[in-house]
Parts: sequence; C-alpha cells; structure tokens
Amino acid sequence: DAGVTQSPTHLIKTRGQQVTLRCSPKSGHDTVSWYQQALGQGPQFIFQYYEEEERQRGNFPDRFSGHQFPNYSSELNVNALLLGDSALYLCASSLYWGANYGYTFGSGTRLTVV
Amino acid sequence: AQTVTQSQPEMSVQEAETVTLSCTYDTSESDYYLFWYKQPPSRQMILVIRQEAYKQQNATENRFSVNFQKAAKSFSLKISDSQLGDAAMYFCAYRSEGGGADGLTFGKGTHLIIQP
Repeated sequence: DAGVTQSPTHLIKTRGQQVTLRCSPKSGHDTVSWYQQALGQGPQFIFQYYEEEERQRGNFPDRFSGHQFPNYSSELNVNALLLGDSALYLCASSLYWGANYGYTFGSGTRLTVV
Repeated sequence: AQTVTQSQPEMSVQEAETVTLSCTYDTSESDYYLFWYKQPPSRQMILVIRQEAYKQQNATENRFSVNFQKAAKSFSLKISDSQLGDAAMYFCAYRSEGGGADGLTFGKGTHLIIQP
C-alpha cells in the first residue's frame, strides 16, 4: 500500500522564481494538507485541500497557493520566492471525516532558495 | 490560536531505560485531539500515539504511553525500554475537534538521543 509520495525530493531555486511541489496521497485518502518546516522548527500548517477546494489556511501569504486534482493529488505553488522560503515542505493526507485518527506524511521536499 | 510548547530541545537516555518527553499546550477549547509524531532522519513524520481530550484514560501503544492532564494542559510521552531505533525528533501536536479542515499545530520538537 503506497503511502504519501512527494516530488521532487530536493530543489534549488533563485530568489524571485516560482516553484511547484507535488504530492500523491495515501491510497483511500481524500484530503491533502501542506506544512512548512524550517530548520530546527516544528511544521507549520499552510493549507488543506478537500474536494478540490482550499478548506482552511494557516498564516501564509498569497504567494503560497495550491491545487487538488480529481484523483486527490495536490500541488503547492510558491511565487516570488524569498530566502526565507527555504524549508522542508511536508505533505500529509487523511480522510476528511477521519482526520482525528491522524495524518500520513510524506518524506517532504527540501527547497533551498539562493 | 492554540500553541504547543516542548520545553526540552534535547533528551538523552540509555538503551533499555525509560524516558519522558514533555509537552504543554494552550487552548480555550474543550474538545480536541493530541498527537505525538516521530521524525527520523528520513524526514517522514510517523504517528506514535494519539489522545482524545474527552477520554480520561491515557493512551498506550506498546512501549509508548502518555500522561494526559487536561486541567494542567499537559501531554507527556513516556517511552519504555528505549531502543536505538527510537532515536529521532519527537513532535507534540494539537488539533481542534471542529471538523475535517483543521490543521495540526506542532511544538518545536525534542531531539531524543539513545545511548547504547
């Protein structure tokens, strides 16, 4: 049973560029959440997608946007990259009405902005 | 907004011994869920144990157990018979009961070192 798959695993971008990260949820899950984990910190909630709509958003600017496809996979887009966007980006999947049982996380995408 | 505090940046324990990781949280809600996640060097967050706030009984999963003190807003993790594979970052997380859309609020983590 495939877990959560994220691509790419590592990425280096230049300030001002745009980046797209991808996530395939665990089989059977219908909800995808994205988190940003800066070095030495806990993950911070960016937003969550269910039924192809953004359902909730954390304290992140509009430069961060996303999308969910009919097959439940998701993309995270970040525009006008800043040095401070360098972090590990984690995708987590769950059942929308079963999220209290926990989330399944991927291994993340390490984004470095230079 | 809820906050989660882990006051121990790093803990060290001898193999086969018991260690307790601390977590406190701040919330005005009465119904919520608490989690402990493990993050090894592979970076994947792995669910260790979960606790529903409305349950008085402390959750247990094999060698892992929690001490949930709702009035004190405390949620500590006890690892018994520590093994080398337990070495990782451990994160305490909070989730509102309000529905499917709420994300997790994490603490800053505790780095657990297992001494052979």
